[in-house]
Amino acid sequence: DARVTQTPRHKVTEMGQEVTMRCQPILGHNTVFWYRQTMMQGLELLAYFRNRAPLDDSGMPKDRFSAEMPDATLATLKIQPSEPRDSAVYFCASGLSVGGNTGELFFGEGSRLTVL
Amino acid sequence: GENVEQHPSTLSVQEGDSAVIKCTYSDSASNYFPWYKQELGKRPQLIIDIRSNVGEKKDQRIAVTLNKTAKHFSLHITETQPEDSAVYFCAAIAGGSSWGKFQFGAGTQVVVTP
Repeated sequence: DARVTQTPRHKVTEMGQEVTMRCQPILGHNTVFWYRQTMMQGLELLAYFRNRAPLDDSGMPKDRFSAEMPDATLATLKIQPSEPRDSAVYFCASGLSVGGNTGELFFGEGSRLTVL
Repeated sequence: GENVEQHPSTLSVQEGDSAVIKCTYSDSASNYFPWYKQELGKRPQLIIDIRSNVGEKKDQRIAVTLNKTAKHFSLHITETQPEDSAVYFCAAIAGGSSWGKFQFGAGTQVVVTP
């Protein structure tokens, strides 16, 4: 049963600390997304990769957030320094897009971040 | 880029009644329209999707309709049950240089009361 795997599932940290969240997309998927979800918000798109290349990170605060795909099996989202307003659930999702056709997007379980 | 608007933001229905959620999109090149359901504390999961060459698709109690001319699509849930209570998200996936980019609507909180 193929799944998107995210770590850590829960993270509590203090303001100013660096936070790194990791995601293992489903093998064979070529698109990876990072979304942020707070209690009152929907799914806010932070970054989007296709074939490991970053295509859109316009939704991401550039001064403190960074997203990378060091290889096809790992995507990372880093926050440095973290702030209380970053507290949210961060979802990674992967899918397959080929030749203009898009398939189902599969979400990981999410990483719940609390910044004190 | 694509802009997806979703209405209503909350929807309360009596068990057994129908629920309808509507989404509009801006990019006429959009060709894939999925709906995701997110239960409390869980991840979003696909419940039904439709592609631009189809006007309607049905799967048991849920159906999706697409009007490409008007650029809107809707989710219909019939004979609602308490387990249908969740947040529902629509998305419109655009073509062109943005193909494959999942931009979601703001979500609809559906509450089914017994």
